[in-house]
Parts: sequence; structure tokens; C-alpha cells
Amino acid sequence: SAVISQKPSRDICQRGTSLTIQCQVDSQVTMMFWYRQQPGQSLTLIATANQGSEATYESGFVIDKFPISRPNLTFSTLTVSNMSPEDSSIYLCSVVPDFQETQYFGPGTRLLVL
Amino acid sequence: SQELEQSPQSLIVQEGKNLTINCTSSKTLYGLYWYKQKYGEGLIFLMMLQKGGEEKSHEKITAKLDEKKQQSSLHITASQPSHAGIYLCGADIRGTYKYIFGTGTRLKVLA
Repeated sequence: SAVISQKPSRDICQRGTSLTIQCQVDSQVTMMFWYRQQPGQSLTLIATANQGSEATYESGFVIDKFPISRPNLTFSTLTVSNMSPEDSSIYLCSVVPDFQETQYFGPGTRLLVL
Repeated sequence: SQELEQSPQSLIVQEGKNLTINCTSSKTLYGLYWYKQKYGEGLIFLMMLQKGGEEKSHEKITAKLDEKKQQSSLHITASQPSHAGIYLCGADIRGTYKYIFGTGTRLKVLA
């Protein structure tokens, strides 16, 4: 398994501003993902952030809005840019430990945009 | 598009009762994963099913995957208030680890 932490755990932001969410893993992993969970809904994959390659975004998500960094095998950031109230969600990072097949999730970052 | 249908959407049971949550896909799955989420928190991994007909148990929770690998059930025996939360099924449909998720089942257990 993997132990994942996220910062901040929650935040309240003004529209038009940006927030960077950090994801830290207790072991080196290649595969990392970022998900969004809008209020009352299930999880939607934003992007894949594998170390050593550019992040790949799912349909409906673009790099300008959700830039991602993956500087090493234990850390990643997701920035939510130029925020609007529609960005209010829980943002979760997840990893698939190397040589395993199960995906483990961080505790999430709860974002409210006013 | 590929979706996972989860039922029921919500469930309220008396403590001690058994319950079942279902997850159905229109396509064959590479893997089916069950998670539990406390309100507003991250996902806790429960079980992974990969083989048709596979069944796994952990404490009072049993998960099954049908032979066609398109339907899974999660069964809780003698439910307790600690079982309360949102249960989500997730699936790897392309073997890429990019999961899709069901809509979730919100479980409440009355003491």
C-alpha cells in the first residue's frame, strides 16, 4: 500500500485566484493521478501525472486550467487556476505503487470558491 | 460512454441487518475495486476483484465479481454503525489504471 498526504486539507478561495494542492507519498511511485469529486457526485479523473513524462489530461480538462507538476517520484502538485464557484470540489490524488495493481487515494483537499 | 451503475443510491438499515450493494458495467472489466469514503474525506481501499467468479472477504464484508466480469456485489453481514459511509465501486476498463467510478451508495446504519 501507500501512505498519501495532501495539503491543504481544505481551503476557501475567492474567484479569480489560484490554489496549488500538494500530494506527498511515503514511497517512490511512478503512476499518480488527480481526481475531482464535485458535491454529491462521484470521482472524475482529471489527469495522469506519471513521473518522467508530461501530464496527460482527460477530456474536459486542460493544462492551462489545471497545471500539474511531478518533480520526483514522491511528490506532485495540482494547481486550480482562475477559480470559479464551479471549481468547488474535493480534489484527490492517487497512486498505483510500482508492481502493484491497486490504486490508493489521498485524504483529499476540500475547496470552496466564493 | 462507459459507465458504472451502482445501486441503491442510498440505504438505511438497522444495526445487525445484512445488506448488499451492486455495481454493474456494460463492458467487461479489467479490475473492479471497492472503496469506502467517509463524508468529505478520501477513499479507503476495501477490496480488488480481477477474476471472473472471484469472491473476497474481509471481516464482515464480502465482495463478488460475476463470471462475465461485468457485475459486482458488496455484501455486509450484521452491519454496525462503523460501516456507515459512502461505498464506491471503481473499475479499470482499459487496463490503464484510469479508473471510472460508480455514483456511490450512501449507507447509514441505525444503532
